[in-house]
Amino acid sequence: QVQLQESGPGLVKPSETLSLTCTVSGGSVSSDSCYWSWIRQPPGKGLEWIGYIYFSGSTNYNPSLRSRVTISVDTSKNQFSLKLTSVTAADTAVYFCASQTLDLYYAMDVWGQGTTVTVSS
Amino acid sequence: SYELTQPPSVSVSPGQTARITCSGDALPKQYSYWYQQKPGQAPVLVIYKDSERPSGIPERFSGSSSGTTVTLTITGVQAEDEAGYSCQSADSSGTSVFGGGTKLTVL
Repeated sequence: QVQLQESGPGLVKPSETLSLTCTVSGGSVSSDSCYWSWIRQPPGKGLEWIGYIYFSGSTNYNPSLRSRVTISVDTSKNQFSLKLTSVTAADTAVYFCASQTLDLYYAMDVWGQGTTVTVSS
Repeated sequence: SYELTQPPSVSVSPGQTARITCSGDALPKQYSYWYQQKPGQAPVLVIYKDSERPSGIPERFSGSSSGTTVTLTITGVQAEDEAGYSCQSADSSGTSVFGGGTKLTVL
């Protein structure tokens, strides 16, 4: 059973870069049957898809965030990562990583517990 | 990118049937998914491919699709079903979008 765990700083200063890592256990980021995704949820608001990466390195990003987002994969550590540049208070949110599985028609079937990131000076 | 529209809230009494809708222009062409989220927890997938139920999800959860609207139905609502529910779909390029979420209140 795949499990995901987010990690990274809980506080980021405005204009700096938010960096988070998702560690995969019970599965492999090199799997050709999964997309590895990031989703966020601002306080009291709905879910927002950020983007995903495939084991080959191909990515797909939310158009509204594309200019600031990079998702990468590290197969040696079985992790994938999120970088979001030039953050503002609007980027304050709980950030989730998730897997989108071919077997379930790319549903987001496994989620990490989420990590809270606050943007503040 | 396109949008998915959900009602902000739905209320039902225990044992009744709850229906939560999600509307979007691309829904006739793309699969929809539903997630349940309780406060302080990660979302849980309850419906995929419009109407399929993952293993472990109770049979009272079902999904349907008609034109530009998909519906999550919870038959015989229980107190434990009180939660937020979000629909999700993707466009032809694989870009995903979530609906704004619906708060289900069990009276």
